[in-house]
Amino acid sequence: EIVLTQSPGTLSLSPGERATLSCRASQSVSSNYLAWYQQKPGQAPRLLIFRASTRATGIPDRFSGSGSGTDFTLTISRLEPEDFAVYYCQQYGNSLTFGGGTEVEIK
Amino acid sequence: EVQLVESGGGLVQPGGSLRLSCAASGFTFSTYAMYWVRQAPGKGLEYVSAISNNGGSTYYANSVRGRFTISRDNSKKMLYLQVGTLRIEDMAVYYCAREGGGVVPLDYWGQGTLVTVSS
Repeated sequence: EIVLTQSPGTLSLSPGERATLSCRASQSVSSNYLAWYQQKPGQAPRLLIFRASTRATGIPDRFSGSGSGTDFTLTISRLEPEDFAVYYCQQYGNSLTFGGGTEVEIK
Repeated sequence: EVQLVESGGGLVQPGGSLRLSCAASGFTFSTYAMYWVRQAPGKGLEYVSAISNNGGSTYYANSVRGRFTISRDNSKKMLYLQVGTLRIEDMAVYYCAREGGGVVPLDYWGQGTLVTVSS
């Protein structure tokens, strides 16, 4: 099973700042099948990014994904108030596993 | 509009069982693989089970294999998860989700149904 480790656990930032979230895999993710999801309290997860860098339908371009192999990054260029949430990475190249999440909180 | 609506959660004693359901609408259900993902209170997301579009292939996380059974009825646009021999650690919100297909993972999710395991 591929283990995904997200860092940091919590990111304290102000609106307008840049957020950089990391996801490291225990082994190479097949075909870079790495996705990012956003989850707000009481809501279901929402797909943001798939195949490491492709934005899902309707996702603003301030969200971007990068990386390959075992190291991946989600960047939010300028945080909007609605972006404060928990973010999960997920690999789907070999079964399906999720990282432990990164909470982006208001500083 | 794609909609997934779960039901069937509730309070169950350890060792008990439940059948969770997910009603799909707004898309051609029979052409998509479907998943169950759960989230324990205050914790992260955990893959539970998946089923191919025609139901011919099923997959399970090691933590639930042999205790849970996934199935679907394409004529009714319904996804099911029979959860049995429940343990305290199975307590979670259970989400159904659609696999987008090709390179797209879980693109639509329901709002979840809560399973509480307690004596």
